[in-house]
Amino acid sequence: GQQLNQSPQSMFIQEGEDVSMNCTSSSIFNTWLWYKQEPGEGPVLLIALYKAGELTSNGRLTAQFGITRKDSFLNISASIPSDVGIYFCAGRGSSNTGKLIFGQGTTLQVKP
Amino acid sequence: DGGITQSPKYLFRKEGQNVTLSCEQNLNHDAMYWYRQDPGQGLRLIYYSQIVNDFQKGDIAEGYSVSREKKESFPLTVTSAQKNPTAFYLCASTRDRDQPQHFGDGTRLSIL
Repeated sequence: GQQLNQSPQSMFIQEGEDVSMNCTSSSIFNTWLWYKQEPGEGPVLLIALYKAGELTSNGRLTAQFGITRKDSFLNISASIPSDVGIYFCAGRGSSNTGKLIFGQGTTLQVKP
Repeated sequence: DGGITQSPKYLFRKEGQNVTLSCEQNLNHDAMYWYRQDPGQGLRLIYYSQIVNDFQKGDIAEGYSVSREKKESFPLTVTSAQKNPTAFYLCASTRDRDQPQHFGDGTRLSIL
């Protein structure tokens, strides 16, 4: 099945640093979603994007829906230890099934 | 509280055995999904159901079966035909195909 290209695969940063990750696709998407998953738990929705060029914030998190509709990025400002986890992007195309395509995930570790 | 409940949290399967993973939601969502997650990979779609008594194969349906007899329930059976069943299984639901999917906390399946 189709997958998104998510990068970087992993990041190890110092507390207080800003973080940036992105996803790219060969297909156009109508929706981009960003999720966070902690060990042994299901993904939790962070931000949903529905329009090309849309920029949305959720606390210290900011995500953008790329103008080409083939990419999206997520920024985390002033990282803290509880930001640790795996971040997934997911895209939805124009099909009527609601199916999502997921990136491989970015593993974030924060050093206090 | 409204949410998606997956059970059991951990499950062990013997060779040649079928096992069933439970997924229940009280969100009154029409659509439900089953994903498989392997280390270092994104979520892969096994089966999905957009409405009661109807379901479709996802990208990796071989060795799995589902039913959707009630709106709130979407059980997944991992059959003996699935030769590599060890994975983290996630169930999700959504009100309609244009809304974000929300996830349960997963079931970890291992082979004895």
